Amino acid sequence: EAEVAQSPRYKITEKSQAVAFWCDPISGHATLYWYRQILGQGPELLVQFQDESVVDDSQLPKDRFSAERLKGVDSTLKIQPAELGDSAMYLCASSLLSGTGRPPYEQYFGPGTRLTVT
Amino acid sequence: QKEVEQDPGPLSVPEGAIVSLNCTYSNSAFQYFMWYRQYSRKGPELLMYTYSSGNKEDGRFTAQVDKSSKYISLFIRDSQPSDSATYLCAMSALNSGGSNYKLTFGKGTLLTVNP
Repeated sequence: EAEVAQSPRYKITEKSQAVAFWCDPISGHATLYWYRQILGQGPELLVQFQDESVVDDSQLPKDRFSAERLKGVDSTLKIQPAELGDSAMYLCASSLLSGTGRPPYEQYFGPGTRLTVT
Repeated sequence: QKEVEQDPGPLSVPEGAIVSLNCTYSNSAFQYFMWYRQYSRKGPELLMYTYSSGNKEDGRFTAQVDKSSKYISLFIRDSQPSDSATYLCAMSALNSGGSNYKLTFGKGTLLTVNP
């Protein structure tokens, strides 16, 4: 069964350092999402891509976070500099397509990267 | 007030019990209602979804949506230790531009089923 791949699974970094996470969506999925899930909270969308274009990054803290999906396949989420409050699980999800033609429940989540900032 | 409210628990029940999990919401534009299960250190996986109001059953799981009360429920019958996980409700409405659905999650309820 196809799955969303993420790496690393765990990352510990010191505050003010840079950190990057990688996601490889299910093959053929045009839409890719990055979510942040703080311990004890539900996931919150950071950024959504349709192919290589950003569809929604309204909740992405752009002063320190950046995301790219250069060839419309895999994606990288970067934080620079990391702050203590960035400690969370970073989840990647993918779906065939987004928009009114596709129901929202067809998002498949990866296992996440658990980030600890010390 | 958050758009989606969910009691975080924790909830502990004996094996075989009927479990009831609930969420309330404030956004009347929500059209899709979903339940995800998340095991420790894993990503959420979709359990069930409902479009608009009504009930939906899948094996031991039943999802209910009452749009008039802005209240959704997930029932688990004959609960098993393998059901121990965090259960997240999620809801979706079209964005303001009408071009894209966006998921809004509850906080999740941590369920433990004891053998």
